Amino acid sequence: DAGVIQSPRHEVTEMGQEVTLRCKPISGHNSLFWYRQTMMRGLELLIYFNNNVPIDDSGMPEDRFSAKMPNASFSTLKIQPSEPRDSAVYFCASSLIPPVGGVASDQPQHFGDGTRLSIL
Amino acid sequence: QKEVEQNSGPLSVPEGAIASLNCTYSDRGSQSFFWYRQYSGKSPELIMSIYSNGDKEDGRFTAQLNKASQYVSLLIRDSQPSDSATYLCAVHGSGTYKYIFGTGTRLKVLA
Repeated sequence: DAGVIQSPRHEVTEMGQEVTLRCKPISGHNSLFWYRQTMMRGLELLIYFNNNVPIDDSGMPEDRFSAKMPNASFSTLKIQPSEPRDSAVYFCASSLIPPVGGVASDQPQHFGDGTRLSIL
Repeated sequence: QKEVEQNSGPLSVPEGAIASLNCTYSDRGSQSFFWYRQYSGKSPELIMSIYSNGDKEDGRFTAQLNKASQYVSLLIRDSQPSDSATYLCAVHGSGTYKYIFGTGTRLKVLA
């Protein structure tokens, strides 16, 4: 089975440019998560979707960041305009989660290989 | 207080020894618990999941959960240099879709 697929693997761009990161979750998973990881701050949850609907975007650092999930098999994270402090590894993860309030499940998250973003 | 706490390490153990990694969490309603291994420059990889109090064994790995004390641990028996990585504890709380990650413990297995 294909895992979570992210693109591009590496992105180097200049400050002020628009950056778009892409993610294809595992087929059948109903939840998708965007994370950012840096040495200083560790793994930070930016936003997560359930059934294509954004549930919590409180981790999105600024209005420069936006995320969409137009369908069950695709999501984007966009940064516009980009700044050097946005440099990090961005991970997408997906999971199959029961409805909130339903029976607990030990369904884990599965991570993509990440996008290493460098803003010059 | 952080929601999920781990000692950042590094934890150094000799090859062949048992490595013990610990994690505490604050949400008493948390229901599912996971250990991920992350090699430098790679993505987190699931090692173990545990849902019920007690021990769960998988090969050289044993996860231990104590909900009353709100801690979960990972034991790695017969540690190998290839086990050297950062180990992330993740907690899936009740009434939420979120997984809360600790900052990770860096493990070094010395040959």
